[in-house]
Amino acid sequence: KAGVTQTPRYLIKTRGQQVTLSCSPISGHRSVSWYQQTPGQGLQFLFEYFSETQRNKGNFPGRFSGRQFSNSRSEMNVSTLELGDSALYLCASSSGTSGRSDTQYFGPGTRLTVL
Amino acid sequence: KNQVEQSPQSLIILEGKNCTLQCNYTVSPFSNLRWYKQDTGRGPVSLTIMTFSENTKSNGRYTATLDADTKQSSLHITASQLSDSASYICVVRLEKEAGTALIFGKGTTLSVSS
Repeated sequence: KAGVTQTPRYLIKTRGQQVTLSCSPISGHRSVSWYQQTPGQGLQFLFEYFSETQRNKGNFPGRFSGRQFSNSRSEMNVSTLELGDSALYLCASSSGTSGRSDTQYFGPGTRLTVL
Repeated sequence: KNQVEQSPQSLIILEGKNCTLQCNYTVSPFSNLRWYKQDTGRGPVSLTIMTFSENTKSNGRYTATLDADTKQSSLHITASQLSDSASYICVVRLEKEAGTALIFGKGTTLSVSS
């Protein structure tokens, strides 16, 4: 079974631009979550989508948004990029139906650098 | 404030030795606690998941414990190997009405040397 894939793997943007990251979950998984990882803050939860609906959201500004398509693929968008948005963005998929013990499988991440 | 604190921040041990990583949390309402291993340049991989009623769970040479009364967890690694060199992240799942959210610790960086 193929794992979680994220594209692109690396991205360089300048301040003020916007960016869209893509995540393809494991086949059959309906839940996709997004995380931001930086050396200073560690991993931080962005949002979770299940069956095309945002199920939960972390404490990030409205510049960060996402969506999920009917095939469970998900995209994350960051508008008006700031230097502090430079980070590794991780996507994780899970079945979404196993309740508390739902195991998340992470992709390799997209490394975003904002200049 | 919901927080997960891990200690030590970093650790160096010799191959073959055992080690224990600590995680303290102040998260409520608690759903479950997970330990992840993250190799450099890769996404985290789940090691264990423990709910409120579980106090020990093993995955090969990794054994996690949970004390829900003191809100502490530990990850014990037995007979360490060079491949255990990684960041170990403690994550607490928060039970919320409209879904769930994860609170992450900042991780412990383990280096195993020969």
